[in-house]
Amino acid sequence: GAVVSQHPSRVICKSGTSVKIECRSLDFQATTMFWYRQFPKQSLMLMATSNEGSKATYEQGVEKDKFLINHASLTLSTLTVTSAHPEDSSFYICSARDNRAVQETQYFGPGTRLLVL
Amino acid sequence: SQKIEQNSEALNIQEGKTATLTCNYTNYSPAYLQWYRQDPGRGPVFLLLIRENEKEKRKERLKVTFDTTLKQSLFHITASQPADSATYLCALDTGGFKTIFGAGTRLFVKA
Repeated sequence: GAVVSQHPSRVICKSGTSVKIECRSLDFQATTMFWYRQFPKQSLMLMATSNEGSKATYEQGVEKDKFLINHASLTLSTLTVTSAHPEDSSFYICSARDNRAVQETQYFGPGTRLLVL
Repeated sequence: SQKIEQNSEALNIQEGKTATLTCNYTNYSPAYLQWYRQDPGRGPVFLLLIRENEKEKRKERLKVTFDTTLKQSLFHITASQPADSATYLCALDTGGFKTIFGAGTRLFVKA
């Protein structure tokens, strides 16, 4: 149980285009999902907290107009990188909390590798 | 500011030995602490959670300790195997469902 999927796993795009990444909880419902980015050999950096049915909460320094988050259902959150630039190239990982769980564990997706040329 | 420190140097050990990884934190009073495993190019996988009122937690060959006085957690893998080679992340609750991760320690277990 507690499986989270991400799609796509890898994406290469041209500078200036937008890229959408999907995060799905496959066997549980998640009111809250999280989006992280990770640079090589560095820690996961929280970008935003995605709340079903309401606006996402962004961390300081993360541009909400550049990283659009939509959490339209209890099993799906999407991150859209708008007008992507080479500096947006990174490993993007989502996680979700199981609504039924007592403890506060996050279940992570496998990640999406974004390369902007 | 809040800070989590994990040994940035890789830990190399021989198969069968016990691996011990350290997580230190400052300016926190977390209600709980978690350890995750991350393989290259993959998302983290949850291993163990320990609460502030627990001193020790075990799961198979894994053991975690939590010393809120020292502001430190130790993560042990006994009878280590080459398959245990990965990066291990320490994560702290900061309240409000937000978790902050350390940079991780890479473990290499040699056969």
